[in-house]
Amino acid sequence: EVQLVESGGDLVQPGGSLRLSCAASGFTFTSYSMNWVRQAPGKGLEWVSYITSSSNTIYYADSVKGRFTISRDNAKNSLYLQMNSLRDEDTAVYYCAREHITMVRGVSLFDYWGQGTLVTVSS
Amino acid sequence: DIQMTQSPSSLSASIGDRVTITCRASQSISTYLNWYQQKPGKAPKVLIYAASSLQSGVPSRFSGSGSGTDFTLTISSLQPEDFATYYCQQSYSTPTFGPGTKVDLK
Repeated sequence: EVQLVESGGDLVQPGGSLRLSCAASGFTFTSYSMNWVRQAPGKGLEWVSYITSSSNTIYYADSVKGRFTISRDNAKNSLYLQMNSLRDEDTAVYYCAREHITMVRGVSLFDYWGQGTLVTVSS
Repeated sequence: DIQMTQSPSSLSASIGDRVTITCRASQSISTYLNWYQQKPGKAPKVLIYAASSLQSGVPSRFSGSGSGTDFTLTISSLQPEDFATYYCQQSYSTPTFGPGTKVDLK
């Protein structure tokens, strides 16, 4: 059974830092690109960051570029998100999500998600 | 970035109703369009990928159509477990989601 379990969410002051983790199990972690997606309270979904299986390619949303760093440790089947210079607007549930590339024209989708971890940025 | 819009933002429907949700992309995305269902306090779940392909395990009352910039998610006969928020998402470029459509009980 595929499982993604996030951890590390907390209450942090504006300007502070936090590191989120996502522990993966039930699949070959090294075969998949991974993502972070967030959802502010009562709001919609916002993609945050992407990393390929070998960490060769990384993308960020403009809203977090220069402040957040995605990484992974394939030996530990783990995905991370280092969050610096946090702002009030970063308050959200953060989900890790696995990317699956389908056989239909290579369309990708987020096929498995964790339960999310809540980050609250407030003084 | 490709912007996604959805309409309506919310709708009220009864059990057994046919429900249609529309998603529009700011530029052509071919069929690089997925639909997700999210219930309160839960992670999203993929329903439809590549605009019209049903994800394994998803009931056949869900269907998707469209290409280019205009897409539709249809629930042929609404069931009690379908009350949720639905999001479209493009995977043509760096992913973006629509703002969501909340389906509740009339």
